[in-house]
Amino acid sequence: GAVVSQHPSWVICKSGTSVKIECRSLDFQATTMFWYRQFPKQSLMLMATSNEGSKATYEQGVEKDKFLINHASLTLSTLTVTSAHPEDSSFYICSASFLAGYNEQFFGPGTRLTVL
Amino acid sequence: QKEVEQDPGPLSVPEGAIVSLNCTYSNSAFQYFMWYRQYSRKGPELLMYTYSSGNKEDGRFTAQVDKSSKYISLFIRDSQPSDSATYLCAMTLNDYKLSFGAGTTVTVRA
Repeated sequence: GAVVSQHPSWVICKSGTSVKIECRSLDFQATTMFWYRQFPKQSLMLMATSNEGSKATYEQGVEKDKFLINHASLTLSTLTVTSAHPEDSSFYICSASFLAGYNEQFFGPGTRLTVL
Repeated sequence: QKEVEQDPGPLSVPEGAIVSLNCTYSNSAFQYFMWYRQYSRKGPELLMYTYSSGNKEDGRFTAQVDKSSKYISLFIRDSQPSDSATYLCAMTLNDYKLSFGAGTTVTVRA
């Protein structure tokens, strides 16, 4: 149980285009979803936290107009990287928690974004 | 100073050896401590979850927390080549924002 999927697993796009990444909880309802970014050989950095039906909370230094997060249902959250540039190339990982206040997060397999 | 410090390694051990990993942290308010395993180009997988000082065992894995020293450890007994991965420590306060260590890359040689 507690499986989280991401789609796509790998995406290459041209500079200036927008890319949408989906995160789905397959066998549970996720009250909260998280989006992380991971650069090579570095740890996960939390970008934003989203609760179903409400606006995402962004971490300091993360541009909310560039990284649009939508958590439309209890099983789906999307991250859209708008006007992507090469410096946005990274590994994006989502996680989901199924109980408010419960600390365990279940992670998706990640999406590798390469911006040319 | 980073909130969570973890030696990135790499660490290479022969099959069957004990792998010892550790993290230190600066925020004494952290209450919950986790260890994740991450294979290359994959998302992290939860291995151990603890919230009190002391030891917790799960099969070949033992997690140790020393809140007075702000130090946590993970031990892997009888290590196998399939244990080769990056191990991340993570911790949190009473909310669910996780603070991660940088991860230690472990290679178990057959």
